[in-house]
Amino acid sequence: AQSVTQLDSQVPVFEEAPVELRCNYSSSVSVYLFWYVQYPNQGLQLLLKYLSGSTLVESINGFEAEFNKSQTSFHLRKPSVHISDTAEYFCAVSDTGSSYKLIFGSGTRLLVRP
Amino acid sequence: DAGVIQSPRHEVTEMGQEVTLRCKPISGHNSLFWYRQTMMRGLELLIYFNNNVPIDDSGMPEDRFSAKMPNASFSTLKIQPSEPRDSAVYFCASSLLRSNYGYTFGSGTRLTVV
Repeated sequence: AQSVTQLDSQVPVFEEAPVELRCNYSSSVSVYLFWYVQYPNQGLQLLLKYLSGSTLVESINGFEAEFNKSQTSFHLRKPSVHISDTAEYFCAVSDTGSSYKLIFGSGTRLLVRP
Repeated sequence: DAGVIQSPRHEVTEMGQEVTLRCKPISGHNSLFWYRQTMMRGLELLIYFNNNVPIDDSGMPEDRFSAKMPNASFSTLKIQPSEPRDSAVYFCASSLLRSNYGYTFGSGTRLTVV
């Protein structure tokens, strides 16, 4: 069975500063990894995903995440955040076999201050 | 495509009443998922369907909860009788099995049981 750990429940950061949201997973099989973002009163939106190939994946709005198999991590980073990035971010994992259930972490609230 | 459509957006009901939440998945998607989100427990997978068949309902809290998917374009989650502890945001998500593109979430139904 897979599990996801997001150790930081909230990350406050000033606008234009860099940020890293941490995600570690546990699995005995190969996995796919995802980051979702949830803005207030909205559903979750897929931000980026790792399926295979390059371990560094990017989103269209400047976020990137790197799959590190040895560290079982998939941390999310952005070099310069905006106020509009304030949201809840969820890391998720699914195995590459027959199960397509997504297991979510507990979420990290990114709070960008002016 | 209009995305995953959930109704109603908000529901306030009295304890003991029956509540029905509705979901229309994205056309062509063959997997559907119901999640519940609360502050205390985060995102919990309640049930998922593949090709309209329930595959895993181990997350359904108790017999008061039931879910159906009579066809590929409609699913319901019913709570009967409802209790205050059922208050949460309920999300429906759909995906295309084996596409590994992640889920597409609806905007959710915020349920308040008083």
